[in-house]
Amino acid sequence: GAGVSQTPSNKVTEKGKYVELRCDPISGHTALYWYRQSLGQGPEFLIYFQGTGAADDSGLPNDRFFAVRPEGSVSTLKIQRTERGDSAVYLCASMGPNTDTQYFGPGTRLTVL
Amino acid sequence: DAKTTQPPSMDCAEGRAANLPCNHSTISGNEYVYWYRQIHSQGPQYIIHGLKNNETNEMASLIITEDRKSSTLILPHATLRDTAVYYCIVRTKAAGNKLTFGGGTRVLVKP
Repeated sequence: GAGVSQTPSNKVTEKGKYVELRCDPISGHTALYWYRQSLGQGPEFLIYFQGTGAADDSGLPNDRFFAVRPEGSVSTLKIQRTERGDSAVYLCASMGPNTDTQYFGPGTRLTVL
Repeated sequence: DAKTTQPPSMDCAEGRAANLPCNHSTISGNEYVYWYRQIHSQGPQYIIHGLKNNETNEMASLIITEDRKSSTLILPHATLRDTAVYYCIVRTKAAGNKLTFGGGTRVLVKP
């Protein structure tokens, strides 16, 4: 079956611009996670959704980062006024209701020039 | 979540068993040991998890010491496609519990 998909696969933007990154979870998965991975490091948690609501946003680095999941399926991570330090791979994962295994997408590589 | 310690890198020969160690000396009684791996340019992939008993699936075996302070992931017959970064993670099974990744072990399988 289809896995977690993320679009775009690569995004290059200029400092100060606004970007949106999209995640399509596995159908029926109620939990959705966003992580950020800098070069040479392990992924770092950003935010977790259970259904439509953000149940834990403790990993968002500052108020330039925001994420939504209005219908409990697709999620969008939004970054305002991008900075060069935001350059990283942004990973999305989803998890079904009767499991605790997270399934990851391939990630979106964001480069801020 | 308890902290884990893994060697930064290791090599192994194709066709041989790869034994990946992980220390988690501060693990709590309700925390599980999870292993994920990340092949280059892909998202992390779940491998296996366990609480205190040894576990085996089609990908690997997980051996947890009796005191639960350390564990070993065993890839029984490593292939070139097993080259990846392997992450040992300790966490509870609470709903919504995020994964806390450390640096992992970079495993290079050589022909």
